Amino acid sequence: AQSVTQLDSQVPVFEEAPVELRCNYSSSVSVYLFWYVQYPNQGLQLLLKYLSGSTLVESINGFEAEFNKSQTSFHLRKPSVHISDTAEYFCAVSDLPFNNNDMRFGAGTRLTVKP
Amino acid sequence: ETGVTQSPTHLIKTRGQQVTLRCSSQSGHNTVSWYQQALGQGPQFIFQYYREEENGRGNFPPRFSGLQFPNYSSELNVNALELDDSALYLCASSLTRTDTQYFGPGTRLTVL
Repeated sequence: AQSVTQLDSQVPVFEEAPVELRCNYSSSVSVYLFWYVQYPNQGLQLLLKYLSGSTLVESINGFEAEFNKSQTSFHLRKPSVHISDTAEYFCAVSDLPFNNNDMRFGAGTRLTVKP
Repeated sequence: ETGVTQSPTHLIKTRGQQVTLRCSSQSGHNTVSWYQQALGQGPQFIFQYYREEENGRGNFPPRFSGLQFPNYSSELNVNALELDDSALYLCASSLTRTDTQYFGPGTRLTVL
């Protein structure tokens, strides 16, 4: 079964600085990757996903992630963060294209944006 | 369109008791998954229901059981509560088994 490693448990950054949250997954024939965001005292919200096609995927609020098969990575980036981006970010993987019941999450990265 | 809702928001139980958590899936979604998120951890898959049938189960003991109703809402039941069951329980629904999951806000369970 797939597994996910989020390499940083906490990432502090100043407002308007760029940020990268790292995610690596274990290798498989096919893989489907997701980033979810969790704001304090809330459930998870889907940020973006890679299912197939272009390896660069974007969210509506300026985040992007690149699927890199050779590096088995799916790092999340934003060129300029805002205070409102402060949250917990989870990378997740699913390796069954016909069933989503095996989704596995990383331990999360807490992004703290400071003024 | 109403999103995924869960009730109650918070719950406090004592060891050995039983608890039932509820989830209403997003309109039109026939698949519901339940996850346990311990403090400081990512969510862990408990089980999934598709059209009222269990469709996969994670590494959780049988005292974790579930149900899905004809309107596709769902319940998670936990018997003989243990201290380690304290966690945020998340419900996620999807249009079908192959679609993206959308999460509810969760139920925070504290076992004393």
